[in-house]
Amino acid sequence: EADIYQTPRYLVIGTGKKITLECSQTMGHDKMYWYQQDPGMELHLIHYSYGVNSTEKGDLSSESTVSRIRTEHFPLTLESARPSHTSQYLCASSEYSASFNSPLHFGNGTRLTVT
Amino acid sequence: KQEVTQIPAALSVPEGENLVLNCSFTDSAIYNLQWFRQDPGKGLTSLLLIQSSQREQTSGRLNASLDKSSGRSTLYIAASQPGDSATYLCAASSGSARQLTFGSGTQLTVLP
Repeated sequence: EADIYQTPRYLVIGTGKKITLECSQTMGHDKMYWYQQDPGMELHLIHYSYGVNSTEKGDLSSESTVSRIRTEHFPLTLESARPSHTSQYLCASSEYSASFNSPLHFGNGTRLTVT
Repeated sequence: KQEVTQIPAALSVPEGENLVLNCSFTDSAIYNLQWFRQDPGKGLTSLLLIQSSQREQTSGRLNASLDKSSGRSTLYIAASQPGDSATYLCAASSGSARQLTFGSGTQLTVLP
């Protein structure tokens, strides 16, 4: 049963539009992540946050931005969508662990198509 | 830079068979190794997490092992069922930021 919610599930949008992908979790987790996944490929980390007002870029270069104003909310924004942004975007969270050994919980993803 | 490989990319077995999925990683200095399941069009579900100090973890019909020295982990599924059909991904936590590096997964089909 999902405690991490992503909206919308599917989005088709034209080039140049600004979009925001929403992610919320009800578990009180400090850590949140955004991954990008193309079909049949591995996940790539694009942004992460270790708490309110903390955001970092991941390994994959991305033109998106994120914010973390509230613990439960971690939206991702694309200022100007392009066809190269077409992909599945997965949000995840994990609880704080001094040993960094907490499993990730994932939302069901947003499948974005930019025409 | 950590690289994670999963072979085979796809596997089809008859129901009831025991099977092993393989995961290899290039940097043995990992903090943990995680196995996930992904159903079509969905997010990932955490199956097992093996800490670097552990050799294996078990959950029901699933058993995951870790051999850091050889850079390998295996996921053993006993008595497979059609409901086990999904893509299984492994991910290694490493580096100063302890971020996860994912493999591209093994797509498992269990035939009734």
